[in-house]
Amino acid sequence: AQSVTQPDIHITVSEGASLELRCNYSYGATPYLFWYVQSPGQGLQLLLKYFSGDTLVQGIKGFEAEFKRSQSSFNLRKPSVHWSDAAEYFCAVGAWSGGSNYKLTFGKGTLLTVNP
Amino acid sequence: DGGITQSPKYLFRKEGQNVTLSCEQNLNHDAMYWYRQDPGQGLRLIYYSQIVNDFQKGDIAEGYSVSREKKESFPLTVTSAQKNPTAFYLCASSIDRGARGGSYNEQFFGPGTRLTVL
Repeated sequence: AQSVTQPDIHITVSEGASLELRCNYSYGATPYLFWYVQSPGQGLQLLLKYFSGDTLVQGIKGFEAEFKRSQSSFNLRKPSVHWSDAAEYFCAVGAWSGGSNYKLTFGKGTLLTVNP
Repeated sequence: DGGITQSPKYLFRKEGQNVTLSCEQNLNHDAMYWYRQDPGQGLRLIYYSQIVNDFQKGDIAEGYSVSREKKESFPLTVTSAQKNPTAFYLCASSIDRGARGGSYNEQFFGPGTRLTVL
């Protein structure tokens, strides 16, 4: 079964600083990888996704992520953080089980605080 | 506008009562999902449905039930058998169950329902 680890529960950065959120996954084949963002009390919004091809993917709001197969990682980055980026971020892996059952498995999330 | 709606946003119930959470989508998606979110736990899959009149248990189905009589609707009932029902519940949908090699694996989420059992 697949699993996702987000090692950092809470990260604090200053506005304008760079950001990297870590995500490690466990899955036997090439996974489908996602990053979602959640504002307090809201649903999840997709930031970016990786299925195949170029390992550096661009997303919305200036975010990017890089798939590294050798490290089983899919870290999220942003060169300059804005105060509005404060939220909780979830990494997810999509995978098949039992031949026809597809599901997403989520990490436990990283809460981002942005200091002015 | 296309999207997923969940109602109500906040729900309060007494212990021992069943309660049904609504999820509707007008995206013409085949697959729908219910997740439970607790602080520091991420999202855990309760039930999912890949097609009308069919659904499967997720990782934490005990104490929950669902139905899928219409493509656009996937209501979740939290029964009295659920030992700790207070949580934030999220509904999601995707175009289909996830065609291999396609981009249909992306899930779209509703705004959530916060259930508090008193």
